[in-house]
Amino acid sequence: KNEVEQSPQNLTAQEGEFITINCSYSVGISALHWLQQHPGGGIVSLFMLSSGKKKHGRLIATINIQEKHSSLHITASHPRDSAVYICAALEGDMRFGAGTRLTVKP
Amino acid sequence: KAGVTQTPRYLIKTRGQQVTLSCSPISGHRSVSWYQQTPGQGLQFLFEYFSETQRNKGNFPGRFSGRQFSNSRSEMNVSTLELGDSALYLCASSLDPTGRASYEQYFGPGTRLTVT
Repeated sequence: KNEVEQSPQNLTAQEGEFITINCSYSVGISALHWLQQHPGGGIVSLFMLSSGKKKHGRLIATINIQEKHSSLHITASHPRDSAVYICAALEGDMRFGAGTRLTVKP
Repeated sequence: KAGVTQTPRYLIKTRGQQVTLSCSPISGHRSVSWYQQTPGQGLQFLFEYFSETQRNKGNFPGRFSGRQFSNSRSEMNVSTLELGDSALYLCASSLDPTGRASYEQYFGPGTRLTVT
């Protein structure tokens, strides 16, 4: 069993839909990262959080430390949100989820 | 500010050779981490350097090594290349002024290594 599990693996949505990607981890962490990777490989760090909730534009990330669970929400999804979203748990080293491939259709 | 830069961007090597990849962090960033990404294993942590010292290491064989210089630039080296080392190698830098490692990471574009 992976230490960081993401669901779903693949997600297809229509433009405008509300999207949720989930991440569960089994290790103790000092922080959890949400990353976005576009085709071609470039990775952008979306959020780093250790408690509560963060919001940036249409993106919202939440974390529940007791339940060892985090969610990434995208409101009013757009085709440019199509990418792979990866959660990563940081405790000394970084442990990555397998990623969620999101496709948003116009 | 310039972002994280990695050189070279693409590299083709033969089995048994060695390779050195370079990463220049964002100015002022003291922490540099290295990652390997393959289609089969996904993203995996290689090692992290902070102020010229290796602070954390992932579960990779000793053929993978790295170092960090006083200007925070970092290099990683892979000796005796194997076909399975073909991957995208990413580095990321972090400000980390307190040395507690819980700071946002900024990723470079990666070096795509192909071993034939």
